[in-house]
Amino acid sequence: ETGVTQTPRHLVMGMTNKKSLKCEQHLGHNAMYWYKQSAKKPLELMFVYSLEERVENNSVPSRFSPECPNSSHLFLHLHTLQPEDSALYLCASSPSGQAGRSYNEQFFGPGTRLTVL
Amino acid sequence: QKEVEQNSGPLSVPEGAIASLNCTYSDRVSQSFFWYRQYSGKSPELIMSIYSNGDKEDGRFTAQLNKASQYVSLLIRDSQPSDSATYLCAVAGVGGATNKLIFGTGTLLAVQP
Repeated sequence: ETGVTQTPRHLVMGMTNKKSLKCEQHLGHNAMYWYKQSAKKPLELMFVYSLEERVENNSVPSRFSPECPNSSHLFLHLHTLQPEDSALYLCASSPSGQAGRSYNEQFFGPGTRLTVL
Repeated sequence: QKEVEQNSGPLSVPEGAIASLNCTYSDRVSQSFFWYRQYSGKSPELIMSIYSNGDKEDGRFTAQLNKASQYVSLLIRDSQPSDSATYLCAVAGVGGATNKLIFGTGTLLAVQP
């Protein structure tokens, strides 16, 4: 247990559905991340939030919409997805420059396995 | 050109042997390096971080960093079947992207009983 939780753990949705993924961290970190992991590909960084401000958006399609209401919670809103969006979606958090801590060490949640039909 | 490169494997070693996993990176000014272990169907787990040239040991794990050669490795001593997993190398971006980790595709390690 890393202190980062994600719900749901599994999600099956149709291309016309709208759903949201939720991530919560209990580590006192102030940076949170969304990654996509597909088979045979490196982890793809999607979004980075630092102190609740989005600091990175890696050309992700607009059908993925992140939200970070506070430093402990992160959401990924999904709509009109395509079958190729089926993947493992991972949330991570890190200290992000807090004094005396290793700011790049990222800790991952268990992930949401998403299947788009 | 890939930014972080790893041999995809599988790397097969007998139980009790030393497993050696290697990683090269392209950005010469990278400062932080990490090894993650990922079991099948699970999320990555941080097992080692290294920031300075040389060796860093933690139990059966030793990370080695050579910035001049842009090379980082992970040694696993006394390998156990439970070490069988994919090992991901990650390198921290520099400048304004200090929160950004760049991952390799991972090396699959299989420890044979």
